[in-house]
Amino acid sequence: EVQLVESGGGLVQPGGSLRLSCAGSGFSFSDFYFGWVRQAPGKGLEWVAHIAHRHDSYSTQFAASVRGRFTISRDDAKNSVSLQMDGLGTEDTAVYYCVREAWYSFDRCGQGTRVTVSS
Amino acid sequence: DVVLTQSPLSLPVTVGQPASISCRSSQSLVLSDGNTYLDWYQQRPGQSPRRLIYRVSKRDSGVPDRFSGGGSGTDFTLKISRVEADDVGVYYCMQGAHWPPYTFGPGTKVDLK
Repeated sequence: EVQLVESGGGLVQPGGSLRLSCAGSGFSFSDFYFGWVRQAPGKGLEWVAHIAHRHDSYSTQFAASVRGRFTISRDDAKNSVSLQMDGLGTEDTAVYYCVREAWYSFDRCGQGTRVTVSS
Repeated sequence: DVVLTQSPLSLPVTVGQPASISCRSSQSLVLSDGNTYLDWYQQRPGQSPRRLIYRVSKRDSGVPDRFSGGGSGTDFTLKISRVEADDVGVYYCMQGAHWPPYTFGPGTKVDLK
Protein backbone atom coordinates (compact mmCIF):
# COMPACT_ATOMS: atom_id res chain seq x y z
CA GLU A 1 0.00 0.00 0.00
CA VAL A 2 1.32 3.43 -0.93
CA GLN A 3 1.81 5.58 2.15
CA LEU A 4 3.18 9.03 2.87
CA VAL A 5 3.60 9.86 6.56
CA GLU A 6 4.50 13.36 7.66
CA SER A 7 6.10 14.35 10.94
CA GLY A 8 7.81 17.29 12.56
CA GLY A 9 4.98 19.75 12.98
CA GLY A 10 4.44 21.75 16.13
CA LEU A 11 4.34 25.16 17.75
CA VAL A 12 7.10 27.62 16.88
CA GLN A 13 7.61 31.29 17.58
CA PRO A 14 7.64 33.87 14.79
CA GLY A 15 11.06 33.99 13.21
CA GLY A 16 11.79 30.42 14.20
CA SER A 17 12.53 27.29 12.22
CA LEU A 18 10.99 23.88 11.82
CA ARG A 19 11.84 20.83 9.76
CA LEU A 20 9.11 18.61 8.40
CA SER A 21 9.72 15.09 7.19
CA CYS A 22 7.76 12.74 4.99
CA ALA A 23 8.38 9.02 4.86
CA GLY A 24 7.21 7.11 1.83
CA SER A 25 6.53 3.39 1.59
CA GLY A 26 4.86 0.86 -0.66
CA PHE A 27 6.37 2.16 -3.90
CA SER A 28 9.70 2.87 -5.59
CA PHE A 29 10.45 6.15 -3.85
CA SER A 30 13.37 7.24 -6.01
CA ASP A 31 11.27 7.15 -9.19
CA PHE A 32 8.97 9.97 -8.14
CA TYR A 33 8.90 13.70 -7.69
CA PHE A 34 7.53 15.01 -4.41
CA GLY A 35 6.13 18.20 -3.03
CA TRP A 36 4.44 19.95 -0.15
CA VAL A 37 0.99 21.51 -0.13
CA ARG A 38 -0.37 23.47 2.82
CA GLN A 39 -3.76 24.50 4.11
CA ALA A 40 -4.16 27.41 6.49
CA PRO A 41 -6.98 27.09 9.04
CA GLY A 42 -10.34 27.29 7.29
CA LYS A 43 -8.68 28.03 3.94
CA GLY A 44 -8.00 26.26 0.67
CA LEU A 45 -5.00 24.40 -0.64
CA GLU A 46 -1.72 26.10 -1.55
CA TRP A 47 1.23 24.46 -3.28
CA VAL A 48 4.49 25.16 -1.45
CA ALA A 49 7.45 23.25 -2.87
CA HIS A 50 8.63 20.60 -5.32
CA ILE A 51 11.65 18.38 -5.68
CA ALA A 52 12.47 16.29 -8.73
CA HIS A 53 14.17 12.90 -8.76
CA ARG A 54 17.78 12.04 -9.46
CA HIS A 55 17.34 11.99 -13.24
CA ASP A 56 16.34 15.64 -13.12
CA SER A 57 19.17 16.56 -10.78
CA TYR A 58 16.90 16.89 -7.75
CA SER A 59 15.82 20.29 -9.02
CA THR A 60 13.57 22.31 -6.74
CA GLN A 61 10.81 24.89 -7.10
CA PHE A 62 9.04 27.02 -4.52
CA ALA A 63 5.96 29.16 -4.20
CA ALA A 64 6.76 32.86 -4.17
CA SER A 65 5.40 33.11 -0.63
CA VAL A 66 8.12 30.81 0.76
CA ARG A 67 11.01 31.25 -1.66
CA GLY A 68 14.22 32.10 0.16
CA ARG A 69 12.84 30.86 3.50
CA PHE A 70 12.02 27.23 2.80
CA THR A 71 14.24 24.51 1.36
CA ILE A 72 13.25 21.02 0.24
CA SER A 73 15.47 17.99 0.15
CA ARG A 74 15.21 14.23 -0.18
CA ASP A 75 17.09 11.14 0.89
CA ASP A 76 16.23 8.30 -1.45
CA ALA A 77 18.18 5.83 0.68
CA LYS A 78 15.79 6.58 3.55
CA ASN A 79 12.70 7.05 1.37
CA SER A 80 12.17 10.48 2.83
CA VAL A 81 11.64 14.06 1.80
CA SER A 82 12.07 17.06 4.08
CA LEU A 83 10.93 20.66 4.20
CA GLN A 84 13.18 23.02 6.13
CA MET A 85 11.24 26.11 7.11
CA ASP A 86 13.14 29.16 8.35
CA GLY A 87 11.98 32.68 9.15
CA LEU A 88 8.51 31.45 9.96
CA GLY A 89 5.68 33.94 10.18
CA THR A 90 2.11 33.63 11.40
CA GLU A 91 1.06 33.34 7.75
CA ASP A 92 2.84 29.98 7.61
CA THR A 93 0.44 28.47 10.14
CA ALA A 94 -1.16 25.57 8.32
CA VAL A 95 -1.45 21.84 7.93
CA TYR A 96 1.36 20.72 5.65
CA TYR A 97 0.73 17.78 3.35
CA CYS A 98 3.41 15.76 1.60
CA VAL A 99 2.36 14.87 -1.94
CA ARG A 100 3.68 12.48 -4.54
CA GLU A 101 3.83 13.99 -7.98
CA ALA A 102 3.16 12.20 -11.22
CA TRP A 103 2.68 13.95 -14.55
CA TYR A 104 1.93 17.43 -13.21
CA SER A 105 -0.51 16.06 -10.66
CA PHE A 106 -0.57 14.91 -7.05
CA ASP A 107 -1.59 11.27 -7.03
CA ARG A 108 -1.01 10.64 -3.32
CA CYS A 109 -1.21 12.81 -0.24
CA GLY A 110 -0.17 12.18 3.35
CA GLN A 111 -2.33 12.76 6.39
CA GLY A 112 -0.66 16.09 7.13
CA THR A 113 1.28 17.66 9.98
CA ARG A 114 0.17 20.82 11.74
CA VAL A 115 2.44 23.84 12.04
CA THR A 116 1.45 26.70 14.32
CA VAL A 117 3.49 29.89 14.35
CA SER A 118 2.60 31.94 17.39
CA SER A 119 4.22 33.78 20.27
CA ASP B 1 0.06 32.62 -12.45
CA VAL B 2 -2.96 30.68 -13.63
CA VAL B 3 -6.11 31.58 -11.71
CA LEU B 4 -8.81 28.95 -11.28
CA THR B 5 -12.33 30.00 -10.36
CA GLN B 6 -14.96 27.56 -9.19
CA SER B 7 -18.71 27.83 -9.07
CA PRO B 8 -20.69 27.49 -7.03
CA LEU B 9 -18.61 27.91 -3.89
CA SER B 10 -21.33 26.24 -1.85
CA LEU B 11 -23.49 23.43 -3.13
CA PRO B 12 -26.31 21.97 -1.01
CA VAL B 13 -27.23 18.60 -2.45
CA THR B 14 -29.90 15.97 -2.02
CA VAL B 15 -28.91 12.32 -1.75
CA GLY B 16 -29.67 10.55 -4.99
CA GLN B 17 -29.71 13.74 -7.04
CA PRO B 18 -27.02 14.88 -9.49
CA ALA B 19 -24.53 17.64 -8.76
CA SER B 20 -22.14 19.66 -10.87
CA ILE B 21 -19.17 21.92 -10.14
CA SER B 22 -17.56 24.25 -12.65
CA CYS B 23 -13.89 25.23 -12.83
CA ARG B 24 -12.70 27.97 -15.14
CA SER B 25 -9.05 28.75 -15.87
CA SER B 26 -7.49 32.09 -16.76
CA GLN B 27 -5.42 30.30 -19.43
CA SER B 28 -5.78 27.24 -21.58
CA LEU B 29 -4.54 24.14 -19.74
CA VAL B 30 -3.62 22.26 -22.91
CA LEU B 31 0.09 21.55 -23.24
CA SER B 32 2.10 20.97 -26.40
CA ASP B 33 2.00 17.22 -25.67
CA GLY B 34 -1.74 17.36 -26.33
CA ASN B 35 -2.71 16.66 -22.75
CA THR B 36 -4.79 18.92 -20.54
CA TYR B 37 -3.54 19.04 -16.95
CA LEU B 38 -6.60 19.70 -14.83
CA ASP B 39 -7.38 17.60 -11.76
CA TRP B 40 -10.17 17.35 -9.23
CA TYR B 41 -9.53 16.63 -5.54
CA GLN B 42 -11.96 15.73 -2.80
CA GLN B 43 -11.36 16.68 0.82
CA ARG B 44 -13.80 15.10 3.22
CA PRO B 45 -14.22 16.76 6.64
CA GLY B 46 -11.14 16.18 8.78
CA GLN B 47 -9.29 14.31 6.03
CA SER B 48 -6.47 15.04 3.66
CA PRO B 49 -7.16 15.74 -0.01
CA ARG B 50 -7.63 12.81 -2.34
CA ARG B 51 -7.35 12.97 -6.11
CA LEU B 52 -10.51 11.88 -7.90
CA ILE B 53 -9.90 12.88 -11.49
CA TYR B 54 -6.72 13.72 -13.44
CA ARG B 55 -6.20 15.08 -16.92
CA VAL B 56 -9.79 16.31 -17.05
CA SER B 57 -11.58 12.99 -17.19
CA LYS B 58 -9.42 10.08 -15.97
CA ARG B 59 -10.82 8.59 -12.80
CA ASP B 60 -8.40 7.40 -10.12
CA SER B 61 -8.46 3.81 -9.00
CA GLY B 62 -11.20 3.20 -6.45
CA VAL B 63 -13.18 6.31 -7.36
CA PRO B 64 -16.84 5.47 -7.92
CA ASP B 65 -18.03 5.84 -11.48
CA ARG B 66 -20.71 8.29 -10.34
CA PHE B 67 -17.88 10.85 -10.47
CA SER B 68 -16.99 12.12 -13.91
CA GLY B 69 -14.89 14.97 -15.25
CA GLY B 70 -15.18 16.81 -18.51
CA GLY B 71 -14.40 19.98 -20.37
CA SER B 72 -11.62 21.42 -22.44
CA GLY B 73 -9.33 24.40 -22.81
CA THR B 74 -10.36 26.68 -19.98
CA ASP B 75 -13.72 25.31 -18.86
CA PHE B 76 -14.11 22.14 -16.87
CA THR B 77 -16.79 20.34 -14.90
CA LEU B 78 -16.96 17.72 -12.18
CA LYS B 79 -20.22 15.84 -12.11
CA ILE B 80 -21.67 13.49 -9.53
CA SER B 81 -24.44 11.48 -11.13
CA ARG B 82 -26.18 10.52 -7.88
CA VAL B 83 -24.91 12.11 -4.69
CA GLU B 84 -24.31 9.92 -1.68
CA ALA B 85 -23.88 11.07 1.91
CA ASP B 86 -20.21 10.06 1.70
CA ASP B 87 -19.62 12.76 -0.94
CA VAL B 88 -19.88 15.62 1.56
CA GLY B 89 -16.72 17.71 1.61
CA VAL B 90 -14.82 20.33 -0.34
CA TYR B 91 -13.88 19.80 -3.97
CA TYR B 92 -10.90 21.56 -5.54
CA CYS B 93 -9.76 21.79 -9.12
CA MET B 94 -6.02 22.13 -9.72
CA GLN B 95 -3.91 22.90 -12.75
CA GLY B 96 -0.47 21.48 -13.51
CA ALA B 97 -0.11 22.80 -17.03
CA HIS B 98 1.60 26.05 -16.14
CA TRP B 99 3.67 25.32 -13.09
CA PRO B 100 5.34 26.60 -11.05
CA PRO B 101 3.21 27.33 -9.31
CA TYR B 102 0.61 24.59 -9.25
CA THR B 103 -2.62 26.44 -8.49
CA PHE B 104 -5.88 25.34 -6.95
CA GLY B 105 -9.37 26.69 -7.24
CA PRO B 106 -10.95 28.16 -4.09
CA GLY B 107 -12.93 25.00 -3.43
CA THR B 108 -16.61 24.11 -3.57
CA LYS B 109 -18.22 22.99 -0.33
CA VAL B 110 -20.72 20.21 -0.90
CA ASP B 111 -23.11 19.43 1.92
CA LEU B 112 -26.50 17.83 2.33
CA LYS B 113 -29.69 19.85 2.22
